Amino acid sequence: GAGVSQTPSNKVTEKGKYVELRCDPISGHTALYWYRQSLGQGPEFLIYFQGTGAADDSGLPNDRFFAVRPEGSVSTLKIQRTERGDSAVYLCASSSKSGGTEAFFGQGTRLTVV
Amino acid sequence: AQSVTQLDSQVPVFEEAPVELRCNYSSSVSVYLFWYVQYPNQGLQLLLKYLSGSTLVESINGFEAEFNKSQTSFHLRKPSVHISDTAEYFCAVTGAGNTGKLIFGQGTTLQVKP
Repeated sequence: GAGVSQTPSNKVTEKGKYVELRCDPISGHTALYWYRQSLGQGPEFLIYFQGTGAADDSGLPNDRFFAVRPEGSVSTLKIQRTERGDSAVYLCASSSKSGGTEAFFGQGTRLTVV
Repeated sequence: AQSVTQLDSQVPVFEEAPVELRCNYSSSVSVYLFWYVQYPNQGLQLLLKYLSGSTLVESINGFEAEFNKSQTSFHLRKPSVHISDTAEYFCAVTGAGNTGKLIFGQGTTLQVKP
């Protein structure tokens, strides 16, 4: 595709449920990032993939959050036992290489936990 | 650890007036600096970036930012704003390790009034 695609655009789930958020990066981009943006805040880094491996997962808030990128392209962010505090916009970005070059962002998935 | 402070949460300005959106950062290592813009109902887009070289960088739509190492600032300016510049603006720096991970400020809402 022409840009970074995130699905779904909106997700409403009940507290305690499991959710998966998908990111389809720009074709050929090896670096992929997940961020979380709470209302009125700037995006906060969650995890960075270079190829298939998670090179930096220091931003994941706890062990309920997990992300994979098995073939070095599409990535899935997985949240177990969702809590109301997980409600936010989850952003995905990709770039052709890490460090200094432009990261292209998707439009995000708005997650609401009720 | 790196951090970014955007000193103004909202900046109201009349059309054709000049504007400055302030950004200060702290870092113990060299950083790359970015301004991203988020128009209503759209994803984050790169506005301009400083990697090295000239400390004054410009965007295609008339914005400019100057890297000031001694003041650890990267303020964004435009001499004459348009209604279409109304958006949320985020300043960001790269995190340590040159992975391309971004540390964002909290954002500044630019409201251009007719």
